[in-house]
Amino acid sequence: GEDVEQSLFLSVREGDSSVINCTYTDSSSTYLYWYKQEPGAGLQLLTYIFSNMDMKQDQRLTVLLNKKDKHLSLRIADTQTGDSAIYFCADEGSQGNLIFGKGTKLSVKP
Amino acid sequence: GAGVSQTPSNKVTEKGKYVELRCDPISGHTALYWYRQSLGQGPEFLIYFQGTGAADDSGLPNDRFFAVRPEGSVSTLKIQRTERGDSAVYLCASSLGFGSHNEQFFGPGTRLTVL
Repeated sequence: GEDVEQSLFLSVREGDSSVINCTYTDSSSTYLYWYKQEPGAGLQLLTYIFSNMDMKQDQRLTVLLNKKDKHLSLRIADTQTGDSAIYFCADEGSQGNLIFGKGTKLSVKP
Repeated sequence: GAGVSQTPSNKVTEKGKYVELRCDPISGHTALYWYRQSLGQGPEFLIYFQGTGAADDSGLPNDRFFAVRPEGSVSTLKIQRTERGDSAVYLCASSLGFGSHNEQFFGPGTRLTVL
C-alpha cells in the first residue's frame, strides 16, 4: 500500500533553518502536503505543492519536490520557538483521503 | 465562522463498552473524513463520506467500527465492544468538495481512552 516516511526528530537553534524530509511511494499523487500539529491543537495545513512543480515558496516556508526520487522537503527559514511542533508530510489517496507520515517533532532551542 | 467541532473532547470508557463520537463539519462542506491518531503516529484514514453515503470505508479496522452521516452534515463514529487498542485520538475533517486538492479542515479531535 501507499506509504509516507519521515525522520522522527529534529532539533535546531532559534534563527537557524530547519529542513524536514519525507519520502513517499505513490507516484500518482497529484498534491503533497505539509501539516503542523501543536500540542492540544488540531492539524493545520501549512502548505502544499502540485506534483508538476519542483519548488514552492511561501514566506519563510520552501517546499522542494523531487518526483523522480519521491522525496519532499520542507524548509523553514529563521526558525522561531513558535515553530516547535510536529510536522506531518501527507500524500493523497484515491478518494482524496490523506496518507500521513508519522510526523517529525521539531524542537527549537533559544 | 465556526470550524470543525468534535464532541466530546475526551472520553474514558471501560473495555467492552459502546461509544459514540460526534463531528460537526463546517457548514456547506460535502465531504467528511474520519481519521485515527495513535500515540506517536500520524493520523490514519478510517472512512470518508460524500454527502450522506460512505464513499470509502476501507480504513475501518473491523466490524466493531461504524459511522453514519444521515443528513449529510453531522457524523457519528460508533465503536462497539471497545478494546484497549482502540485508545487514540479520533480526528474528523471536512472539505468543501471531494477528491484531489480540496483542503481538509480538521477538528481538535476526541481523545478516547479505553481502560
